[in-house]
Amino acid sequence: DAGVIQSPRHEVTEMGQEVTLRCKPISGHDYLFWYRQTMMRGLELLIYFNNNVPIDDSGMPEDRFSAKMPNASFSTLKIQPSEPRDSAVYFCASSLALVITGLAGSMPTAGELFFGEGSRLTVL
Amino acid sequence: RKEVEQDPGPFNVPEGATVAFNCTYSNSASQSFFWYRQDCRKEPKLLMSVYSSGNEDGRFTAQLNRASQYISLLIRDSKLSDSATYLCVVNGYNAGNMLTFGGGTRLMVKP
Repeated sequence: DAGVIQSPRHEVTEMGQEVTLRCKPISGHDYLFWYRQTMMRGLELLIYFNNNVPIDDSGMPEDRFSAKMPNASFSTLKIQPSEPRDSAVYFCASSLALVITGLAGSMPTAGELFFGEGSRLTVL
Repeated sequence: RKEVEQDPGPFNVPEGATVAFNCTYSNSASQSFFWYRQDCRKEPKLLMSVYSSGNEDGRFTAQLNRASQYISLLIRDSKLSDSATYLCVVNGYNAGNMLTFGGGTRLMVKP
């Protein structure tokens, strides 16, 4: 089975250029997440979608970042203009559900996140 | 204070050793707890969920202490292949159930 597919795997660009990262979630997953990982800050949630609708973009660092999900099988994360401090690994993840209803008497739990292999971005 | 804190390590242990990591979380409303594993230059993958009563999966044991707000991961009989970064993950049930990742603890198992 195909997992979450991201492209490009690596991108090196110059400051000021536009960067577009792409993601294809696992078919049937209703939730899609964009994360950024750096040594200093670890994994940070940027934005997530439910059924193609952006639900929470409070993690998007600034207006230079934008994300879209035009359909259930495709999402993009765009940085324009890019800056050296944007250098990081950007992960896309999808999930079947945000909350898994527990059995009677047990608490609901969070759905498992399935990550893509990541897009390693270097902005010079 | 970070929402989820971990000792970054690295923990250097010989093969066959037992090693334990702790993780503390700040949101007392958190209800779901997980350990994810991330190999070098790879994506994170779910290792195991952490249940209130503690749970075991082969050589791995996870425990939860709600009173002190920490979870732990114990690895017995360490293998070279266990070398990775272990990410503690916690959700805030009253905060949209979003998962928050700790910074990870790096484990290096040596021959």
